[in-house]
Amino acid sequence: AQTVTQSQPEMSVQEAETVTLSCTYDTSENNYYLFWYKQPPSRQMILVIRQEAYKQQNATENRFSVNFQKAAKSFSLKISDSQLGDTAMYFCAFMRLNFGNEKLTFGTGTRLTIIP
Amino acid sequence: KAGVTQTPRYLIKTRGQQVTLSCSPISGHRSVSWYQQTPGQGLQFLFEYFSETQRNKGNFPGRFSGRQFSNSRSEMNVSTLELGDSALYLCASRSGLENTEAFFGQGTRLTVV
Repeated sequence: AQTVTQSQPEMSVQEAETVTLSCTYDTSENNYYLFWYKQPPSRQMILVIRQEAYKQQNATENRFSVNFQKAAKSFSLKISDSQLGDTAMYFCAFMRLNFGNEKLTFGTGTRLTIIP
Repeated sequence: KAGVTQTPRYLIKTRGQQVTLSCSPISGHRSVSWYQQTPGQGLQFLFEYFSETQRNKGNFPGRFSGRQFSNSRSEMNVSTLELGDSALYLCASRSGLENTEAFFGQGTRLTVV
């Protein structure tokens, strides 16, 4: 079974600063995806960024980037130039690619607060 | 394009009752998954439907069931409600089995009293 661990329950950072959220996972699979989802107070989960395990290049989406270390099974999210709208719960998630079993396994989340 | 729509947004039920939650996926999406979110257990996978067939099921008792209709809309049913079933129930849709991007609805907040 896959497990996803987020060791930082809460973090806060000043607006415009950079923050890194940590995530580690455990799997014996070779073919999988990793995700960061954001859940603001509206409760809707929003995909922030996605990484394919077979790609060595780290994914980036505007101010969001990841540091994917496959051997170490680490997948951290860096938010640059943080904005007030980034305040939310952030969940790291794993999906193995196995026909009939593409469920998302989530970590426990990190509550991020951006301070004005 | 409309997003994933879940109804109702809020529900209050009494122990022992049953409840049905609805999820309308993004137009053209054929995969619908359900997740339960609680403060204690976090986000847990319930089941996934594709083309009206359940493809995958999480570790939940048989009181939790679901179905998918020909228009891809899905319903989730919980019978004999327990206090521990109080949770946010999230629905997610994908365009197809080969697509890993899941789009979530805003959830249904179920409170069992």
